[in-house]
Amino acid sequence: AQSVAQPEDQVNVAEGNPLTVKCTYSVSGNPYLFWYVQYPNRGLQFLLKYITGDNLVKGSYGFEAEFNKSQTSFHLKKPSALVSDSALYFCAVRDNRDKIIFGKGTRLHILP
Amino acid sequence: KAGVTQTPRYLIKTRGQQVTLSCSPISGHRSVSWYQQTPGQGLQFLFEYFSETQRNKGNFPGRFSGRQFSNSRSEMNVSTLELGDSALYLCASSLGTTAFSGELFFGEGSRLTVL
Repeated sequence: AQSVAQPEDQVNVAEGNPLTVKCTYSVSGNPYLFWYVQYPNRGLQFLLKYITGDNLVKGSYGFEAEFNKSQTSFHLKKPSALVSDSALYFCAVRDNRDKIIFGKGTRLHILP
Repeated sequence: KAGVTQTPRYLIKTRGQQVTLSCSPISGHRSVSWYQQTPGQGLQFLFEYFSETQRNKGNFPGRFSGRQFSNSRSEMNVSTLELGDSALYLCASSLGTTAFSGELFFGEGSRLTVL
């Protein structure tokens, strides 16, 4: 079955430290991968996507993600966390039937 | 440019009633998709429309239905509401011919509470 897993429900990081939010996927064919962020009482906002090309993808607000085909992972990273990065982060993949599958989400807490 | 607009933002219904939610996509976007967000199940895909045609459907019962109009606005309807239908319903629009060729632009959602 095609799926997306975000193994951590919550990640706590001190402000100024690097952050990583993990995502692994299982999909047949070449994956289209996405990261979205959701702030309280808001809809989701697009951060970045991987379709093809360089394995390191840069996105909004200083975020980047690394596509690793052998490990079927697409981890979200940022070199220096800000308190304003605190939010709910969703990884998503487009499956071979053109449906999008979202992970359960990871709540990121940046501690001042 | 105005974003995706969803109405109503909040609503309360009782079991057995029906509800209709509306979504106006970003101007020029022809693809609209709907999602249900709950704490337990996360984000689940409901359906996707492009040019008034349903292109994809998630694994929801027939009580959940939708449509798209010629101006790309979309509605979803849930009939015979159950307590478990309480959720945030999100609409997203996309410029592409499918919902998932590129980024999705989400509305702020309609929060449905079923009593």
